[in-house]
Amino acid sequence: EAAVTQSPRNKVAVTGGKVTLSCNQTNNHNNMYWYRQDTGHGLRLIHYSYGAGSTEKGDIPDGYKASRPSQENFSLILELATPSQTSVYFCASGQQGSDYTFGSGTRLLVI
Amino acid sequence: GDQVEQSPSALSLHEGTDSALRCNFTTTMRSVQWFRQNSRGSLISLFYLASGTKENGRLKSAFDSKERRYSTLHIRDAQLEDSGTYFCAAEAGYQNFYFGKGTSLTVIP
Repeated sequence: EAAVTQSPRNKVAVTGGKVTLSCNQTNNHNNMYWYRQDTGHGLRLIHYSYGAGSTEKGDIPDGYKASRPSQENFSLILELATPSQTSVYFCASGQQGSDYTFGSGTRLLVI
Repeated sequence: GDQVEQSPSALSLHEGTDSALRCNFTTTMRSVQWFRQNSRGSLISLFYLASGTKENGRLKSAFDSKERRYSTLHIRDAQLEDSGTYFCAAEAGYQNFYFGKGTSLTVIP
């Protein structure tokens, strides 16, 4: 069954440390997305990609980098994690004319 | 600014009753999606619409085909398992969806 898998499910990081969140999709979708979800804000777009080798800035890209080494994989990188980046992160894949498929989310706590 | 406004922000329904959720957009949108987030945090896709209406069981969604500035989600005969947070997401540019802040729905026995 086609799916979007995120890892890790939970992560505790120290301030100033590097964090990498991984996402893998088996939907063969061209587009992939990283969102964060915070109370009072809904889901906000951080970075997205139209295909292997492409990354684009979303609405709140500051403090984040993204990498799309292949059709299947899309990573979100926090080079210097800060407590304000404590959140739940969702990855999604999508294709023109169809709906998104979301991963189960990653809970990140930066202390 | 917020391109997608959802209403109401919270809603309580008795089992068996009907209701509607609404999303207004500040600009013309290409398409809209509706999701439900369950108690475990999983986001489940309910509908994708580029125009018109779609129906699935007790759920029906519509996207204003004329001005493309709003969408609705109707829930008929609400059941306990319908509880959760409902999000709409609207596509402004190519496959970039902007989310509303959600409607928290509680179905009461």
